[in-house]
Amino acid sequence: AQTVTQSQPEMSVQEAETVTLSCTYDTSENNYYLFWYKQPPSRQMILVIRQEAYKQQNATENRFSVNFQKAAKSFSLKISDSQLGDTAMYFCAFGAPWTGTASKLTFGTGTRLQVTL
Amino acid sequence: DAGVTQSPTHLIKTRGQQVTLRCSPKSGHDTVSWYQQALGQGPQFIFQYYEEEERQRGNFPDRFSGHQFPNYSSELNVNALLLGDSALYLCASSTAYREDTEAFFGQGTRLTVV
Repeated sequence: AQTVTQSQPEMSVQEAETVTLSCTYDTSENNYYLFWYKQPPSRQMILVIRQEAYKQQNATENRFSVNFQKAAKSFSLKISDSQLGDTAMYFCAFGAPWTGTASKLTFGTGTRLQVTL
Repeated sequence: DAGVTQSPTHLIKTRGQQVTLRCSPKSGHDTVSWYQQALGQGPQFIFQYYEEEERQRGNFPDRFSGHQFPNYSSELNVNALLLGDSALYLCASSTAYREDTEAFFGQGTRLTVV
């Protein structure tokens, strides 16, 4: 079974600054995907960024980037130029391919990010 | 495209009752997964439906059951409700045979058991 650990329950960052959210995971799988999801007060989970385990290059999406360390089983999210709209719960998630079907996701407990003026 | 839609948005039930939650997947998606998110926790996988069959199941009791219809929409049924079943229930849709596909989530159904 896979486990995902987010050790930072809450974080705060000032607008325009950079913040890094941590995530570690444990798995015996070699082929898998890692995700960061954002959950604002509206409750809807929104995909922020995705990393395929077989890719060595770290994924980036505009202001969001990851530091993927496969050997260390670490997957941190860096948010640059933080904006007030980034305030939300952030969940790290693991997905392992299951033959013929879509992946089920294993989530961490989340990090509440507050962006302040 | 309406995305993933869930109904109802909020629900209050009494212990011992039964409840049915509904989900319509995003257009073009054929797989529906259900998650339970307790307050202050991350979502936990309940089960996944594809081709009207349960394909994967998490560590949930048989009181939790589901169904998928030919139009890919899905229902989650919970029998003999317990206080501990109070949670946000999220539906996610995706595409089978596409291991890298993004899962799109609905806004969830907030279930309160009293």
